[in-house]
Amino acid sequence: ILNVEQSPQSLHVQEGDSTNFTCSFPSSNFYALHWYRWETAKSPEALFVMTLNGDEKKKGRISATLNTKEGYSYLYIKGSQPEDSATYLCASLDSWGKLQFGAGTQVVVTP
Amino acid sequence: DAGVIQSPRHEVTEMGQEVTLRCKPISGHDYLFWYRQTMMRGLELLIYFNNNVPIDDSGMPEDRFSAKMPNASFSTLKIQPSEPRDSAVYFCASREGSRDGYTFGSGTRLTVV
Repeated sequence: ILNVEQSPQSLHVQEGDSTNFTCSFPSSNFYALHWYRWETAKSPEALFVMTLNGDEKKKGRISATLNTKEGYSYLYIKGSQPEDSATYLCASLDSWGKLQFGAGTQVVVTP
Repeated sequence: DAGVIQSPRHEVTEMGQEVTLRCKPISGHDYLFWYRQTMMRGLELLIYFNNNVPIDDSGMPEDRFSAKMPNASFSTLKIQPSEPRDSAVYFCASREGSRDGYTFGSGTRLTVV
């Protein structure tokens, strides 16, 4: 049972289009929210770590927002490119130091 | 910086054999984590250490699993005896402090036949 839920499980995006997807997490005992990018045959790579309600982070065309009161985060990809194809994992870190991952959203960007 | 180093990359073993997975965290990182990736449960935390001390091993599935961190630069995850259902990719990750993302190793793909 995964307390961290991600949706959708997968999505296909046309090159140039923008997209976003959701991560929901338990708001009790919350410490931080992590986003990772995981390409096939590689290891997960940290994108963002967010801690405060209302946090917004940006790295190039990818950005994320955080709502700790309602327990959700959005990841946005603007102008998707084929190299953005990957599985995007979110993970919730509690105050005990335990990081629990969601199942991921698999993004496929087609030319 | 060589990153988090795991060995071996692939391990195929027969049921009942002992398996030892190894991890070298990034120098200076004071937290080390062992995760297992399966289709059913995604990335599942097995155990983590802070300053070489095990903090939470509640994710270790059974007594057949054990983990040690004898010093700041080395950790092992041992399965004895191994069973086919242990087949998975095992990741080690480390981090410095609580506000940074984790750095993952490249994983060990374990197949128990």
